[in-house]
Amino acid sequence: AQKITQTQPGMFVQEKEAVTLDCTYDTSDPSYGLFWYKQPSSGEMIFLIYQGSYDQQNATEGRYSLNFQKARKSANLVISASQLGDSAMYFCAMSAGWSGSARQLTFGSGTQLTVLP
Amino acid sequence: AAGVIQSPRHLIKEKRETATLKCYPIPRHDTVYWYQQGPGQDPQFLISFYEKMQSDKGSIPDRFSAQQFSDYHSELNMSSLELGDSALYFCASSPGQGNTEAFFGQGTRLTVV
Repeated sequence: AQKITQTQPGMFVQEKEAVTLDCTYDTSDPSYGLFWYKQPSSGEMIFLIYQGSYDQQNATEGRYSLNFQKARKSANLVISASQLGDSAMYFCAMSAGWSGSARQLTFGSGTQLTVLP
Repeated sequence: AAGVIQSPRHLIKEKRETATLKCYPIPRHDTVYWYQQGPGQDPQFLISFYEKMQSDKGSIPDRFSAQQFSDYHSELNMSSLELGDSALYFCASSPGQGNTEAFFGQGTRLTVV
């Protein structure tokens, strides 16, 4: 079984600063995928970034980067130069199965990020 | 770019009624997933389909059923609704089962009164 842990229920960051959202995972599967999603108050689930368990380099997508430390089983999301529009709930999720699979996702409990002006 | 379309966006039903939620995946995506997100909860996987066949099943109540049609759209049918079924229901799609992304629709907010 897979488990995702997000230990920060809420985070505050000043506009234009960087912020790291923590995510640790547990799985016995050697092949897995890690995802980050953003959920604004409007409710939609927005895909941000993906990291495969066999990917050698950390994933980056614009201002988002994933700090993947396989030995520690952590997949922290780093948002650089925070913007007011980044205020939202952020979910870390894991997929089971072969590398790159987008099979069913197991989600963490989320981190509510608030960007302060 | 086309996204995952869910309808309706909002739905209010009374207890014991039935509801049907629809999902239209991104064109050329043949895999559809359904998730349920209760208030203040993380999304929970319900069921998925690949090439019109059920591929995985999660914590979906027996009162719920789903299918994927020949055009790859999917419907989630919910019967004998209970107050606890009030939630945001997401559909996600991906091109095949071996992909690195799952794009979500905007969700259907179901309220059971």
